[in-house]
Amino acid sequence: AQSVAQPEDQVNVAEGNPLTVKCTYSVSGNPYLFWYVQYPNRGLQFLLKYITGDNLVKGSYGFEAEFNKSQTSFHLKKPSALVSDSALYFCAVRANQAGTALIFGKGTTLSVSS
Amino acid sequence: GAVVSQHPSWVICKSGTSVKIECRSLDFQATTMFWYRQFPKQSLMLMATSNEGSKATYEQGVEKDKFLINHASLTLSTLTVTSAHPEDSSFYICSARDPTGVGGELFFGEGSRLTVL
Repeated sequence: AQSVAQPEDQVNVAEGNPLTVKCTYSVSGNPYLFWYVQYPNRGLQFLLKYITGDNLVKGSYGFEAEFNKSQTSFHLKKPSALVSDSALYFCAVRANQAGTALIFGKGTTLSVSS
Repeated sequence: GAVVSQHPSWVICKSGTSVKIECRSLDFQATTMFWYRQFPKQSLMLMATSNEGSKATYEQGVEKDKFLINHASLTLSTLTVTSAHPEDSSFYICSARDPTGVGGELFFGEGSRLTVL
C-alpha cells in the first residue's frame, strides 16, 4: 500500500532563512511524488513534482525538492523563506499507474515570522 | 496549469436535506475525477474516484448511498450529500488529472465548505 509520512506538524522559520519540510514515502515500484500548498479555506495549489530524471526538482515560488531513493524521501526546500510562504503543505505520492488518485501526507504547517 | 472549478464554495443546510456540489474541468476533459474530504487541521481523505459514464469507485468506509457521485460528462462531476447530518460538515475538494499532461499531477477545485445545522 502507498503511504506518505510528514513527521512534523509544524515548522517555524524566520523570514530570510532556509526552510525544509520533510516527507518520506512508501510505494511499490517507481513513485510519482508531489508537493502542494493550501491556504485557509482554499483548494490545493500544485508546487512541484518528481517523475523521473534529475533528483532535484524546481517548482513554483522558488520551492524545490530533492528525491532520495535510498532514503525514500522527498523533502521540500526553499533557500530564503518569505512570510507569505506561511501555509499548509502536503506531500503526496502516486504509484505509476494510470487513473490512481494521490495519497496525501497529514500536512505540515509552515509558519514564517518576520 | 489546468483549471478545476468547484461550486458552491460555501453551503449551509438543515439536517435531513441534500446538498449537491459541482466540479468542472474548465479547459480540459477529465475522464476521471477524485473527491476528497478534509477535516479541520487534517489531511485529505480520498472518498471516491469518479469515472465518466460509469459508477464511481468508493473508498472503504465511505457510504455510497450517502455520498452520491455522478460523472455525466467529461467536464462535470457532482457529489450529492444526501440526508445530511451535522457529522457530514466538512470541507469537500474535487480534483482532476489533465490526461494530456505528463506526470499526473492533480488539479484541485477551491473546495466546498459544508455546514449542516
